[in-house]
Amino acid sequence: DGGITQSPKYLFRKEGQNVTLSCEQNLNHDAMYWYRQDPGQGLRLIYYSQIVNDFQKGDIAEGYSVSREKKESFPLTVTSAQKNPTAFYLCASSIARFGNQPQHFGDGTRLSIL
Amino acid sequence: QKEVEQDPGPLSVPEGAIVSLNCTYSNSAFQYFMWYRQYSRKGPELLMYTYSSGNKEDGRFTAQVDKSSKYISLFIRDSQPSDSATYLCAMMAIQGAQKLVFGQGTRLTINP
Repeated sequence: DGGITQSPKYLFRKEGQNVTLSCEQNLNHDAMYWYRQDPGQGLRLIYYSQIVNDFQKGDIAEGYSVSREKKESFPLTVTSAQKNPTAFYLCASSIARFGNQPQHFGDGTRLSIL
Repeated sequence: QKEVEQDPGPLSVPEGAIVSLNCTYSNSAFQYFMWYRQYSRKGPELLMYTYSSGNKEDGRFTAQVDKSSKYISLFIRDSQPSDSATYLCAMMAIQGAQKLVFGQGTRLTINP
């Protein structure tokens, strides 16, 4: 089945630790996105990538980093510089670079602080 | 003021009722409008996708866009307990950054 796979489902971070969230898609989509979801705040865009080896900051990029070495993979690293990392992280993809195509989501990773 | 405003609810209705979910927005450049359904601990699932003003129907779901009022709605007919979820509106402009902007989400419960 085609889709977006995020792993792990649950992740715990210790003080000063960097953690990496995985996102893989087999939809052959060009564009991929990372969002953060906090209660009562909807989804906020962290980073997006419209093509391999290229990515742009979203609205809340500070404390996060990404890479896009393969079309199907877009991992997100939550660095120790992100002081409030506890949230539900969602990865999405779309056929074209934004444009007028809707985005499709994975089932998320819930990150908590130990 | 947020670009997209959505009443967070919670909204609770009896099974079989017609549900109306709404969003208002301030950016007149928005041209594409989407509704997503999100079950607890899951990612959002695309329900409806419309362009510009007008209505779109898909089974028990109808999406309405009124660009003159900057107002969009999602109607659910013959609501079922399985419709209980958080509903998110999202919208995007054609020009510029073309980012998808989300409302806060409305938590809906359908009571059997």
